[in-house]
Amino acid sequence: DTEVTQTPKHLVMGMTNKKSLKCEQHMGHRAMYWYKQKAKKPPELMFVYSYEKLSINESVPSRFSPECPNSSLLNLHLHALQPEDSALYLCASSQGGRETQYFGPGTRLLVL
Amino acid sequence: GEDVEQSLFLSVREGDSSVINCTYTDSSSTYLYWYKQEPGAGLQLLTYIFSNMDMKQDQRLTVLLNKKDKHLSLRIADTQTGDSAIYFCAESIWDNTGKLIFGQGTTLQVKP
Repeated sequence: DTEVTQTPKHLVMGMTNKKSLKCEQHMGHRAMYWYKQKAKKPPELMFVYSYEKLSINESVPSRFSPECPNSSLLNLHLHALQPEDSALYLCASSQGGRETQYFGPGTRLLVL
Repeated sequence: GEDVEQSLFLSVREGDSSVINCTYTDSSSTYLYWYKQEPGAGLQLLTYIFSNMDMKQDQRLTVLLNKKDKHLSLRIADTQTGDSAIYFCAESIWDNTGKLIFGQGTTLQVKP
């Protein structure tokens, strides 16, 4: 099973709202990733968690706050977003290091 | 720094072979990946190859690697309309952080 699940599938939020994106994997992977993808562009890495610890933050604004409650779950907390943050947010997981990353279906976010 | 380049668009007729090309710059040993993204969906791992290999075949997919020219290609035999998607080439960075460098993606259009 190489499935990564993400909820919700779609999300519409105002600029003053607080919401969370969720990602789950049951492959025993030790690394989890958040990516942001704009239309017709490749994914851009936002955060990497390795063994439940944040190992990479690609200079992401603080209105995005990641959380890794356990090795199977990854959250992305959203607060005071801007319309330009509207995008597809992808979660991925891997065994870590340079091992293959498996992606979830994404959450399509619209900020009004 | 590392860079991955792809042509942006390819159009083929159903039943023909498709060849999607990619060039990369990392000179160290690396993993190279092909991901497929259908409209509104996440990234689906198609195949990968380690840089000490020349070729990998998996059913209708053939990956060829020219290490001297740092050129990677994905051949899809008997292309079907369901193969219409964006195909991303990606390279794992040598530093073991888990970062992937993506190409811009090639949109494959399959005409009936």
